[in-house]
Amino acid sequence: AQSVAQPEDQVNVAEGNPLTVKCTYSVSGNPYLFWYVQYPNRGLQFLLKYITGDNLVKGSYGFEAEFNKSQTSFHLKKPSALVSDSALYFCAVRELGNNDMRFGAGTRLTVKP
Amino acid sequence: GAVVSQHPSRVICKSGTSVKIECRSLDFQATTMFWYRQFPKQSLMLMATSNEGSKATYEQGVEKDKFLINHASLTLSTLTVTSAHPEDSSFYICSAREGAGGQETQYFGPGTRLLVL
Repeated sequence: AQSVAQPEDQVNVAEGNPLTVKCTYSVSGNPYLFWYVQYPNRGLQFLLKYITGDNLVKGSYGFEAEFNKSQTSFHLKKPSALVSDSALYFCAVRELGNNDMRFGAGTRLTVKP
Repeated sequence: GAVVSQHPSRVICKSGTSVKIECRSLDFQATTMFWYRQFPKQSLMLMATSNEGSKATYEQGVEKDKFLINHASLTLSTLTVTSAHPEDSSFYICSAREGAGGQETQYFGPGTRLLVL
């Protein structure tokens, strides 16, 4: 079975500071990992994914995430947060050969000016 | 990235009526589409997987006669909520998978907010 955990319901950072949104996963095989962002009353927007290759993945809007196999983590990061980054962030995992994707509970990021 | 549209974005209906929601992949073909339901301040719950040309696969606990799914073409899937009741009020989001060979990415529609009175 595959699952995703986002240990923080809420993350608050000041504008201009680096941000990290945490995600850990559990799969029995090889994971495909994804980050999505959701703005109020909107669907999910794709940010980035890890399939294979470099552990550091760069995505949209200056976000990046690092795949750490030993810690089974895929934390989302950005060097300098913007107020407009404030939104709900979802980590998701899909196992190779499996059809469906499992989502974490979501982390609400608030960036204060 | 690829674009997925949903229509309508918002619908209010009376209890007992049926509501159809359309999901379209605008610039790619999707043999597989997904329907999710999201309650306030919660994550997405997968309802069913829609396969073009075949029957949808429903998750445990989701009534297939209540939530009818038709994947009519490689760019269109519809979800019909039949005999809607207030407890069906929710945010429904569709997703379409682009790519092949195990490296597909899922793109999501903007969602449809359903309110059943």
